[in-house]
Amino acid sequence: EVQLVESGGGLVQPGGSLRLSCVVSGFTFSSYEMNWVRQAPGKGLEWVSYISSTGRTIYYADSVKGRFTLSRDNTKDSLFLQMNSLRAEDTAVYYCAREGGTSRYMDVWGKGTTVTVSS
Amino acid sequence: SYELTQPPSVSVSPGQTASITCSGDKLGDKFASWYQQKPGQSPVLVIYRHTKRPSGIPERFSGSKSGNTATLTISGTQAMDEADYYCQTWDSNTLIFGGGTQLTVL
Repeated sequence: EVQLVESGGGLVQPGGSLRLSCVVSGFTFSSYEMNWVRQAPGKGLEWVSYISSTGRTIYYADSVKGRFTLSRDNTKDSLFLQMNSLRAEDTAVYYCAREGGTSRYMDVWGKGTTVTVSS
Repeated sequence: SYELTQPPSVSVSPGQTASITCSGDKLGDKFASWYQQKPGQSPVLVIYRHTKRPSGIPERFSGSKSGNTATLTISGTQAMDEADYYCQTWDSNTLIFGGGTQLTVL
């Protein structure tokens, strides 16, 4: 069974840091591009970041550029999102999602991990 | 920045057809995907490349595109289809979501 399991969320003060992880199983992780997508409470979906299958290409949304760093370890079937200088507006459920093909759609999603930025 | 526009809400009676539109300039030359999200759950892909349905998605879900508008159609809508629906495409290196449409089955 294909699975994505996020972890690392929690409560953090403004200006603080968190590192999210996404561990996958059931497919060949090193063959797939991956994304993080977030959803603020009561709001819609917002794309956060993308990483190619090799990890050599990474893109960020303007809202997180310079503060978040995405990486992957294909030997451990894991994806990591280092979040620094966190703001209240980063409060959201963060989903790890697999890209299914060349048309930039996401065919498998994790259950998400909740990040709350508050003093 | 590039945007995709969806109606905030759509209502449909059980057994009828629901249509949810998604408009944006880039849809003229980019594929659209659609996701269903029920309360407290993760999004689920229901349509990709405008018209393709992933395995396990019921046949009553279909997609189409005309010009710069993509449409998700649910035929014979069931109570279990009540959810938020999001369209999605991309522009340059950015993935873009529509604002979402709340489908109410009543």
